[in-house]
Amino acid sequence: NAGVTQTPKFQVLKTGQSMTLQCAQDMNHEYMSWYRQDPGMGLRLIHYSVGAGITDQGEVPNGYNVSRSTTEDFPLRLLSAAPSQTSVYFCASSYSTSLGSGGYTFGSGTRLTVV
Amino acid sequence: GESVGLHLPTLSVQEGDNSIINCAYSNSASDYFIWYKQESGKGPQFIIDIRSNMDKRQGQRVTVLLNKTVKHLSLQIAATQPGDSAVYFCAESEGDDKIIFGKGTRLHILP
Repeated sequence: NAGVTQTPKFQVLKTGQSMTLQCAQDMNHEYMSWYRQDPGMGLRLIHYSVGAGITDQGEVPNGYNVSRSTTEDFPLRLLSAAPSQTSVYFCASSYSTSLGSGGYTFGSGTRLTVV
Repeated sequence: GESVGLHLPTLSVQEGDNSIINCAYSNSASDYFIWYKQESGKGPQFIIDIRSNMDKRQGQRVTVLLNKTVKHLSLQIAATQPGDSAVYFCAESEGDDKIIFGKGTRLHILP
């Protein structure tokens, strides 16, 4: 049971390049989310999904796209990378947001630098 | 937009003492609250959660208190240990879908 797997762990992009951050979970969780965390800051929600085929915007969705074609995978696409997107990106999943469900399980993060 | 916030960015506590980490939230419609712990270089880890129809919930060495009147949430850690050193985030949810995080409090344990 691998939990939430994020790839790559580190990435350097040039301004204007595009890329996809991969996220996969093997726990059959319905809920999945992408967050970004800047130095000394909290986590800001980019996009989230409550099930396959359903996605919605979070607090900071601009410049990012997501899709949820399967329960397991929730890739995050950067359309045209900008230095402001330099951050650590976390993917998370949960089977429920009900009391005692254990909340979100987070991946280990992808550290992205845009130069 | 509305957001979850914290009173103190850093809290220093003597090992063995109890720690109290506070959080203020502004969305009166939030009905689910969670505390997470994040150690350096890792993703956040779930600690405990509480619903808006509850005032208190206890776990192993941790207690979460919710005061809806003043929109305040706190995390109490009993007998603080060196392993409790981390950044603690409160998070809120309205309607059981998206989870919004606050900015975090760093807990520093004094020997």
